Amino acid sequence: DIRMTQSPTSLSASVGDRVIITCRASQSVADYFNWYHQKPGQAPKLLIYGASRLQSGVPSRFSGSRYGTDFSLTITSLQPEDVGTYFCQQSFNNPRSFGQGTKVDI
Amino acid sequence: QVHLQQWGAGLLKTSETLSLNCDVSGGSLSGYSWAWIRQSPRRGLEWVGEITDSGTNNYNPSLRGRVTISKDTSKSQVSLRLTAVTAADTALYFCARARSYDVLTGLTAYDVWGQGTEVTVSS
Repeated sequence: DIRMTQSPTSLSASVGDRVIITCRASQSVADYFNWYHQKPGQAPKLLIYGASRLQSGVPSRFSGSRYGTDFSLTITSLQPEDVGTYFCQQSFNNPRSFGQGTKVDI
Repeated sequence: QVHLQQWGAGLLKTSETLSLNCDVSGGSLSGYSWAWIRQSPRRGLEWVGEITDSGTNNYNPSLRGRVTISKDTSKSQVSLRLTAVTAADTALYFCARARSYDVLTGLTAYDVWGQGTEVTVSS
């Protein structure tokens, strides 16, 4: 099974800050990689698919990138509604797997 | 706008069978795969399995043959059945639509999610 390791586990930042969350896959997943955002009491919401493609309706302050098996999610200017937990996920093979999450607060 | 509404029993005893349903409205089952994903403090987000557009099932091997995912196109419904549950199956269960963004490469992501169903297994 492919293991997804996120860092940091949690972070606290100010409104307007640039925030970067990383995820490393235990083996190559090419661009079969997605990012989700989950607010408390809600289901996860898709932000980025294919490592760097912005899901329709997601603000442009979110972006994703890949370098080998390392992936990054960048929020260029953190907003109050961005609090919650961010998860990475590989869709390269089965079983699909998720990172353990990065909790972001302000 | 596609909406997934989940329903099913949320309190079970050890060895019973978990049965959850996911009603799809505002869109078709056809053209998509449908997944069940569960979330717990201990395991985080865990993929349970999927049923593809053609009806092929893919399951997490960790569930050791206890899981069945099915769909009923006439009812626009996807179902999850998990037998012989234990406390380890206690989790928040989500159904989700797997959208294919690139037919050639098979690039997929879960773009629509149900509201989640809390399942608790006790002895």
